[in-house]
Amino acid sequence: QQQVKQSPQSLIVQKGGISIINCAYENTAFDYFPWYQQFPGKGPALLIAIRPDVSEKKEGRFTISFNKSAKQFSLHIMDSQPGDSATYFCAASNEASGSRLTFGEGTQLTVNP
Amino acid sequence: ETGVTQSPTHLIKTRGQQVTLRCSSQSGHNTVSWYQQALGQGPQFIFQYYREEENGRGNFPPRFSGLQFPNYSSELNVNALELDDSALYLCASSLEQGWWETQYFGPGTRLLVL
Repeated sequence: QQQVKQSPQSLIVQKGGISIINCAYENTAFDYFPWYQQFPGKGPALLIAIRPDVSEKKEGRFTISFNKSAKQFSLHIMDSQPGDSATYFCAASNEASGSRLTFGEGTQLTVNP
Repeated sequence: ETGVTQSPTHLIKTRGQQVTLRCSSQSGHNTVSWYQQALGQGPQFIFQYYREEENGRGNFPPRFSGLQFPNYSSELNVNALELDDSALYLCASSLEQGWWETQYFGPGTRLLVL
């Protein structure tokens, strides 16, 4: 059972544009929502994370927007750069599951020069 | 670099064989989790070990087993390999087992079952 659904599957953006990746979750017990970035040949690396007590979190060019009532959250990459080209995964966990992460299917982002 | 290493990087086995994958966590990290990442999919949680005890398991059969050692290394063992076991296997370590803990992933072992 896929508890975190991610879209789009792939995304092509021009340099300087905004990349937007969306996720929706089913389990209302989830209360920690990280985003991971994965480059080819590497493991996923934590990019930014949010808890549902805030609706937005920004770190540099990366912003998470969170809508608790809709059970959705999204990653916005401002001023996208070719170096941002990677696969992005949303994930979720909660206190009961400890550090066990439930991942979305991933979005392959390509930023053209 | 995350300081988490895995070996081997690639492995080819035949159906029915057994395989052992290894992970070396960051020093001081008491929790290690293993994930299976099929091609084009997100990682799926296999199980987690905390201070050498299994501490949670995903929807994987008992032929997937693990060990965690006091020196912050761990193993994932898979018996009776099936074709569908072909995937990238990732280990991730964290200081403790809380949901808020940042997990540091290794580069993975890519397993191909023929």
